[in-house]
Amino acid sequence: AQTVTQSQPEMSVQEAETVTLSCTYDTSESDYYLFWYKQPPSRQMILVIRQEAYKQQNATENRFSVNFQKAAKSFSLKISDSQLGDAAMYFCAYRSALNTPLVFGKGTRLSVIA
Amino acid sequence: NAGVTQTPKFQVLKTGQSMTLQCAQDMNHNSMYWYRQDPGMGLRLIYYSASEGTTDKGEVPNGYNVSRLNKREFSLRLESAAPSQTSVYFCASSEGTGPGNTIYFGEGSWLTVV
Repeated sequence: AQTVTQSQPEMSVQEAETVTLSCTYDTSESDYYLFWYKQPPSRQMILVIRQEAYKQQNATENRFSVNFQKAAKSFSLKISDSQLGDAAMYFCAYRSALNTPLVFGKGTRLSVIA
Repeated sequence: NAGVTQTPKFQVLKTGQSMTLQCAQDMNHNSMYWYRQDPGMGLRLIYYSASEGTTDKGEVPNGYNVSRLNKREFSLRLESAAPSQTSVYFCASSEGTGPGNTIYFGEGSWLTVV
């Protein structure tokens, strides 16, 4: 079974600085999708960014970018120019191209310090 | 622009009571899901419905039943609530079950079983 590991339960960053959240996953498949979801205090799960494993180019969405290392099974999220509104739980998730349900990591709580 | 709507938002149950969590989506999505989120556990899939008329078990289905009432609605029922079912429940939907489909989440329902 696939597993997703987020080794950093909590992280903090100064406003306007850059922070990287780590995620590793375990799979024997070659085709899959990876996601980062943000969960603010409101608890709504919001998709931040997604990466398709067959694409070598790292995905970017405005201030959010990923470092996808397929061989290392690593999928880190970089947040640039951090803002107070970025404070939230961040979940890394995996989904097989074979159409199995999303598998989530346990999350990283990000605090942004003014 | 409602998206995925869950009711109730908060509920306290006594052990052994039954209740149904309701979920509706207005995005004309084919697939719907129920997840639970426990502290330190991330989100885990309870049941899902790939399309109207079908339902399948997820990772943690014991103690739950579901009904896909129509394309819009997917309910989760606890027949005899137990304290172990105290959790935050999320309904979600996607256009299809294909791994590239973005999953959209509701705002969550807090359930406490005493």
